[in-house]
Amino acid sequence: QVQLVQSGAEVKKPGASVKVSCKASGYTFTSFAIHWVRQAPGQRLEWLGWINAGNGNTKYSQKFQGRLTVTRDTSASTAYMELSSLRSEDTAVYHCARGIWAATGIGYTFDIWGQGTMVTVSS
Amino acid sequence: DIQMTQSPSTLSASVGDRVTITCRASQSVSSWLAWYQQKPGKAPKLLIYKASSLESGVPSRFSGSGSGTEFTLTISSLQPDDFATYYCQQYSSYSNTFGQGTKLEIK
Repeated sequence: QVQLVQSGAEVKKPGASVKVSCKASGYTFTSFAIHWVRQAPGQRLEWLGWINAGNGNTKYSQKFQGRLTVTRDTSASTAYMELSSLRSEDTAVYHCARGIWAATGIGYTFDIWGQGTMVTVSS
Repeated sequence: DIQMTQSPSTLSASVGDRVTITCRASQSVSSWLAWYQQKPGKAPKLLIYKASSLESGVPSRFSGSGSGTEFTLTISSLQPDDFATYYCQQYSSYSNTFGQGTKLEIK
């Protein structure tokens, strides 16, 4: 079946970086975008950025420009999200999600989600 | 960024009730509005896209309406499996934003 499976929980110190993986199966990886969305405890969902798994183009939320890097390995059908200069406010569950493109100039909905990866930033 | 505001934040209802959740955008998003259901410890599930289109496999008791800046999600007859948190998402541009969520509780 179509699914996204993420890597396990991480505990990091402030200032460190974290890299989370998202392995796709059950569909053609390069035919869809992969987005990253996080949810801090008790907070709303927050979109971070996305990658076109076909050509590798990326777009990031302005809030995370300079700290966020999204990559993919097409041979492994896996996308990666790396967030640097971590601070306590980055403590959250990070989800990857398959993006369904709506139209030119319009964004995406998310039809398949990974199970989430808890990232804890603590000294 | 476009701000999304949901009301109410919490809703208490009983099995069989008809419930409506509202989502307002700070500027027009046309019909580029989706609804998700999330249960504790789980990933969100897409219910509705383009304001009123039902995602495949979603029960027909869920419906969406609206355009521009005001949208609603209606559940026609609540089932036990429907008690969860619901989020709206605007995707009128590449910068997606979500509402703060509406927690649907059992009365």
